[in-house]
Order: sequence, then structure tokens, then C-alpha cells
Amino acid sequence: DTAVSQTPKYLVTQMGNDKSIKCEQNLGHDTMYWYKQDSKKFLKIMFSYNNKELIINETVPNRFSPKSPDKAHLNLHINSLELGDSAVYFCASRGSGASPDTQYFGPGTRLTVL
Amino acid sequence: DQQVKQNSPSLSVQEGRISILNCDYTNSMFDYFLWYKKYPAEGPTFLISISSIKDKNEDGRFTVFLNKSAKHLSLHIVPSQPGDSAVYFCAARGPTGGYNKLIFGAGTRLAVHP
Repeated sequence: DTAVSQTPKYLVTQMGNDKSIKCEQNLGHDTMYWYKQDSKKFLKIMFSYNNKELIINETVPNRFSPKSPDKAHLNLHINSLELGDSAVYFCASRGSGASPDTQYFGPGTRLTVL
Repeated sequence: DQQVKQNSPSLSVQEGRISILNCDYTNSMFDYFLWYKKYPAEGPTFLISISSIKDKNEDGRFTVFLNKSAKHLSLHIVPSQPGDSAVYFCAARGPTGGYNKLIFGAGTRLAVHP
């Protein structure tokens, strides 16, 4: 039973298109994140939501818009896709239990922009 | 500006021997450090962590050492097993604390061979 799931796993699209990546966690966590792993393999945080409220917003183009319909879901919508958006995008969640600093990651979505 | 550095992109170790993965950081305000393990086509999974008030944390075959004066931490795996072959990411909790902004290194690919 997957704790943090993402769909789709692979996404290939043309420049200029708009696409969405969905994330769901069934851990009952309050905080969710989006990370981007670029070609240099660094994992960089993009956004974080706590109980549906945006709390971290790194320097990310306005074309990226996260949406959290409820605390179990955090979706990422990307407008006007560019070649440089090609990367692996990871969703993560964090609880407030005994190990509050542990983030649980989804399997990733590999986005390829042609 | 890389605040968390893993200077060895890869490491090869014989099964049964010790694996030592290193990580350096620049920001003395980091107060919590984590190691994540990542298999291909999967998301990172939490391995072990250490608070900045400690210098060692052990969990089975995995031990993390923290040297605050040197701003250096290391992960020791002993004995190493073939199933340990993966990419290991070091992460530090950002100085803003609170909502757990993790800053990741670029990862070290560990190969454990028979």
C-alpha cells in the first residue's frame, strides 16, 4: 500500500504545453512538498504546503502552480512548458510524530519536454 | 551556492567491508541532518538522521557521525551488502527550521560488489 503516490510516472510532452502532476499521501501527514531533481542530480525544494496552506515557495517561475485541494493531495500544474523543465519531480510528505524531520518521498515523475 | 556537498560522486566497496560516505556543509545554522537512500526509478527513502546536539547515531549496520567543528558528517555502513548498492543523499535541515526545508547534496553512488 503506497504511502506517497504520484501520477503519472513518466510524462513526455511538447514545449508550450500545460501539464499537471498529481500527488497523494495516505500517511495522514500535514505537510507536503514538491522537489525537482535536475540533470546535476540535486534535489531542490520548490514548494511546501501545510494543511493546504502554502508555506515554502522557492524561486520558481510563475508557470509552476501548486494546488492542494485537501491535506492529502498536492498537485503541480505547469504552464507553457520549456525544455529546461525536463527533470524528475518528487512529491514528499512529513508528519508531526516522533520523527518530524523525516520526509517520505513518492516514486517521482520523469518529465521530458521536447 | 552549494550548502551541502558530497564530493565523491561514486564509491565501490567489497561485500562485507565498511562503506564510508562523506558529506560537508557550510551553514553552521543547520540543526538536523539526514541520510536518504535511493534506488533507480524510486523516490529517496529515509535511512538515518542525527541532531546537531549529538555526534553519533547508530541504527543496526548504519552509523552517522557528526563533526560540527569541521562541518562534516559521514555515514558508515558495516558490513556492506550488495543490497546497499544505491545512491545516498545527505540532507540538512535549513536554518529557518520550522517547516523542514531540507537542502540536499548531489548524492554518492555506492556499489557493493561480491
